[in-house]
Amino acid sequence: GIQVEQSPPDLILQEGANSTLRCNFSDSVNNLQWFHQNPWGQLINLFYIPSGTKQNGRLSATTVATERYSLLYISSSQTTDSGVYFCAVFYNQGGKLIFGQGTELSVKP
Amino acid sequence: SQTIHQWPATLVQPVGSPLSLECTVEGTSNPNLYWYRQAAGRGLQLLFYSVGIGQISSEVPQNLSASRPQDRQFILSSKKLLLSDSGFYLCAWILQGYGYTFGSGTRLTVV
Repeated sequence: GIQVEQSPPDLILQEGANSTLRCNFSDSVNNLQWFHQNPWGQLINLFYIPSGTKQNGRLSATTVATERYSLLYISSSQTTDSGVYFCAVFYNQGGKLIFGQGTELSVKP
Repeated sequence: SQTIHQWPATLVQPVGSPLSLECTVEGTSNPNLYWYRQAAGRGLQLLFYSVGIGQISSEVPQNLSASRPQDRQFILSSKKLLLSDSGFYLCAWILQGYGYTFGSGTRLTVV
């Protein structure tokens, strides 16, 4: 089956710093999503991005489907950005979503 | 607007007891529905998905089952819980053009 790899696995930032999270996938996919899991476990949809670049406030994402990777940029990080960021790809029939193992981000004040 | 509801939020159950977790969606019809589990650590694993009433696909053989008795209702069940069934269970649905939306989850502890 398809492999979804995220890097780095853990990241510690000082408030105000910028960061880039990477997601590589091993096969062609129909689409891709980025999620933020907050401390209460809720998965928040950040981006639904099959290709190209999208921006939402301090966050932006770029997917290069032909090269099988996606990047999530966080600028001017805040403590509320802490949590786990997941990349997930749409694969095969039934719209199944396959998750990477996540990047755990900790933003220190 | 479309919303997804899951309950209960937390559950502590003894080994060998039955389980029933419910997920309902509002504001849409005939959605694709999914059950995921997040065990200790981070990974989310797809357990079941359904493309319509009575249609269930199982991804991983296990102690759990799923049912879809109504268009907007998805139920996760077990007849006898095992310690290994502990985890965070999330229901999700897919909205065309927006991708997956997840419920708030149920944290199950089997003791």
